[in-house]
Amino acid sequence: DAKTTQPTSMDCAEGRAANLPCNHSTISGNEYVYWYRQIHSQGPQYIIHGLKNNETNEMASLIITEDRKSSTLILPHATLRDTAVYYCIVRVTNTGNQFYFGTGTSLTVIP
Amino acid sequence: DTAVSQTPKYLVTQMGNDKSIKCEQNLGHDTMYWYKQDSKKFLKIMFSYNNKELIINETVPNRFSPKSPDKAHLNLHINSLELGDSAVYFCASSQSGLAGVYNEQFFGPGTRLTVL
Repeated sequence: DAKTTQPTSMDCAEGRAANLPCNHSTISGNEYVYWYRQIHSQGPQYIIHGLKNNETNEMASLIITEDRKSSTLILPHATLRDTAVYYCIVRVTNTGNQFYFGTGTSLTVIP
Repeated sequence: DTAVSQTPKYLVTQMGNDKSIKCEQNLGHDTMYWYKQDSKKFLKIMFSYNNKELIINETVPNRFSPKSPDKAHLNLHINSLELGDSAVYFCASSQSGLAGVYNEQFFGPGTRLTVL
């Protein structure tokens, strides 16, 4: 699976959009981009995933560049409860289901 | 209802002891996993079972032995516990699908193991 690089930490004001970048320059054509987050002392939580089209759900939006070498997770109106570590993962869905988590981005939402 | 549950939540034990952590999922999934998160917060997969059969076994000491009595349960038994085994252990489950069908993993709340 391709490696990803993310900033170590970010801050965001409450109510503003949080934009979390992820670089995955070695991504293969059949690898999906997944985002998970881990709130302190809890298990990771699925947020969203995509292949090449932009995706949106009730939690977030995922913007993938045309060359698929990077993506951005957008939390449109960050709340204090969004403070967490956000993991960007790229993987092929049919390779045994394993996810390889990197170091992620620690997002702090500031009141 | 808790989708993926683990017991116990906390486990404190002495070096050399043998302990087990239990995991149950009520989502009807056919695949279950164990992850280890160390003190540096790095989350690493250990094992994966699909329909009670081992499909992933990362480089994990053979002191760790997963057991899946049925699709809804995946227990982790650890023999001769060492200080380095101290970590948070997460169980997860997912439903396998055809290529191109996403299969997100649902994680349990974790078990914090402390070896003294």
